[in-house]
Amino acid sequence: GAVVSQHPSRVICKSGTSVKIECRSLDFQATTMFWYRQFPKQSLMLMATSNEGSKATYEQGVEKDKFLINHASLTLSTLTVTSAHPEDSSFYICSARGDRALGLFFGEGSRLTVL
Amino acid sequence: RKEVEQDPGPFNVPEGATVAFNCTYSNSASQSFFWYRQDCRKEPKLLMSVYSSGNEDGRFTAQLNRASQYISLLIRDSKLSDSATYLCVVGGATNKLIFGTGTLLAVQP
Repeated sequence: GAVVSQHPSRVICKSGTSVKIECRSLDFQATTMFWYRQFPKQSLMLMATSNEGSKATYEQGVEKDKFLINHASLTLSTLTVTSAHPEDSSFYICSARGDRALGLFFGEGSRLTVL
Repeated sequence: RKEVEQDPGPFNVPEGATVAFNCTYSNSASQSFFWYRQDCRKEPKLLMSVYSSGNEDGRFTAQLNRASQYISLLIRDSKLSDSATYLCVVGGATNKLIFGTGTLLAVQP
């Protein structure tokens, strides 16, 4: 079964609203989680790295005030897309790596459509 | 130049064929290399790690050439279920992974 659970898998919202996506590690403690975005026919692009109990590190070009990341516990990270616009429509995927985990585990992804 | 480059394909091959994908990376300090498989609208799943000595897992063989900075994936005896996008992934000293755009494989009956 999945070791990283992501919710919701699909969300449709109106422009200007905020959307929260949750990423949970189910059977290990994830000290580090990553958020990626994938536009159609493009590669996964790392948006930010979040470490439990500290501020997220954002990649160049990713607005930290627009994409709020919270990693308050060792099993949960959330990504909030604030004031979403149609250009934010994308496939958002989280991944997690624990201290003793083997490799990087991905969530199922969340498809965001902003109308 | 992209950090990780792949031929996007598509590679259309008949069942039973052998197909090879190549991937080049630009950062000579890269330390970890992987092939991931991604089915349409699904999350990527690790297919195999790539080691300097080369490694094989059933019908899949991965090779790494550090001098030329490329990685390869060979699939023998292709199955219909192998149809997917294959992502070349390169990691540096930190946890950061760089993904290629992927190579689409379509195995035809």
